[in-house]
Amino acid sequence: SYELTQPPSVSVSPGQTARITCSGDALPKRYAHWYQQKPGQAPVMVIYKDNERPSGIPERFSGSSSGTTVTLTISAVRAEDEGDFYCHSADSTGSYWVFGGGTKLTVL
Amino acid sequence: EVQLVESGGGLVKPGGSLRLSCAASGFTFSNAWMNWVRQAPGKGLEWVGRIKTKADGGTIDYAAPVKGRFTISRDDSKNMLYLQMNSLRTEDTAVYYCTILLDWGQGALVTVSS
Repeated sequence: SYELTQPPSVSVSPGQTARITCSGDALPKRYAHWYQQKPGQAPVMVIYKDNERPSGIPERFSGSSSGTTVTLTISAVRAEDEGDFYCHSADSTGSYWVFGGGTKLTVL
Repeated sequence: EVQLVESGGGLVKPGGSLRLSCAASGFTFSNAWMNWVRQAPGKGLEWVGRIKTKADGGTIDYAAPVKGRFTISRDDSKNMLYLQMNSLRTEDTAVYYCTILLDWGQGALVTVSS
């Protein structure tokens, strides 16, 4: 079955830039989306269609795509950015959603 | 404002059944492809399945772990999405979310335990 691969954890100091990658064979053909989830809360979309930012999401959040890897970049990281981040896409047929395993962002 | 409100969660024994509901508002429900996503305790997000709009054929797709046991349906006249879960297993224990990609409900907890 199709899989999206993320690093389990990323740590950065406040004010630095965090980059979270997501790899999958179908990513050149399928859009990727990113969610942030904090404990006890539902996921919140922070990037859709590779690099679009939903209304209300700070400009510090951006997305990019290159080949089979998409990247979520958080500039000038703040303590409030801590949480679990999931990439999300579809398989090559577009019929089945797939989520990455999640990356825990820690702000040191 | 989009609102998705799940209900129907609870404790059920292995082999039992449960039906979740999702009440939708704030958008044209009949035009939306609706999805169920679950999250086991301490684990990541897992797609359960999706139902397309009637205009798109009403096709329903399921993830392999639930195919043949779970059934997704919709009632466009009531703006409601449903998830009928049969032959439940302990590994089905999770918070179940309904979602239209950008917006998610608050989730309903399903616990399968003897």
